[in-house]
Amino acid sequence: ETGVTQSPTHLIKTRGQQVTLRCSSQSGHNTVSWYQQALGQGPQFIFQYYREEENGRGNFPPRFSGLQFPNYSSELNVNALELDDSALYLCASSLGGGGEQYFGPGTRLTVT
Amino acid sequence: GDSVTQMEGPVTLSEEAFLTINCTYTATGYPSLFWYVQYPGEGLQLLLKATKADDKGSNKGFEATYRKETTSFHLEKGSVQVSDSAVYFCALMGQGVAQKLVFGQGTRLTINP
Repeated sequence: ETGVTQSPTHLIKTRGQQVTLRCSSQSGHNTVSWYQQALGQGPQFIFQYYREEENGRGNFPPRFSGLQFPNYSSELNVNALELDDSALYLCASSLGGGGEQYFGPGTRLTVT
Repeated sequence: GDSVTQMEGPVTLSEEAFLTINCTYTATGYPSLFWYVQYPGEGLQLLLKATKADDKGSNKGFEATYRKETTSFHLEKGSVQVSDSAVYFCALMGQGVAQKLVFGQGTRLTINP
């Protein structure tokens, strides 16, 4: 059974640029949730995708957007990057929205 | 909205000491409660969970009991090891449409030999 994987591991971008982060869910899982973890803080919920539809969203601006594909993998896109977007981005997959969430290792994004 | 408050860290203990990390929550209804652990450079791993009042979650010598009357879910371990050094997060999952996790700010634990 393959766990949750994320790519890339690290990324450095310049303010104003756009970035795409990727997540492959655990086999059999149909739901992906994305979280932002700033340094020294707990993760904050960005949004959740269930069967290719957005299933809920946290307090993040529209420049944070996502997709889920038929194989349940997912992308997180962030436009017009700001310095405060520097963080560890975690994705978690689950079976259904209320199922136990299994986390990937994260993508460390640095915006300069 | 829902929220989780954790004991502030960092916490430093000697090996074989008793550990308590306090966690309290605010939520409507009957949330599920979790403890996650994050080792350096890694993602989050579920340590234990409890889904209803008075449930006790346990794993790897760690325990936490869901106390609805005090809205608490304190993490305890009787004898810590150096390998327990990590950041610990208390979290809840409420009953909204999106079953999102709401995390506390984390408590960094360091165990000295």
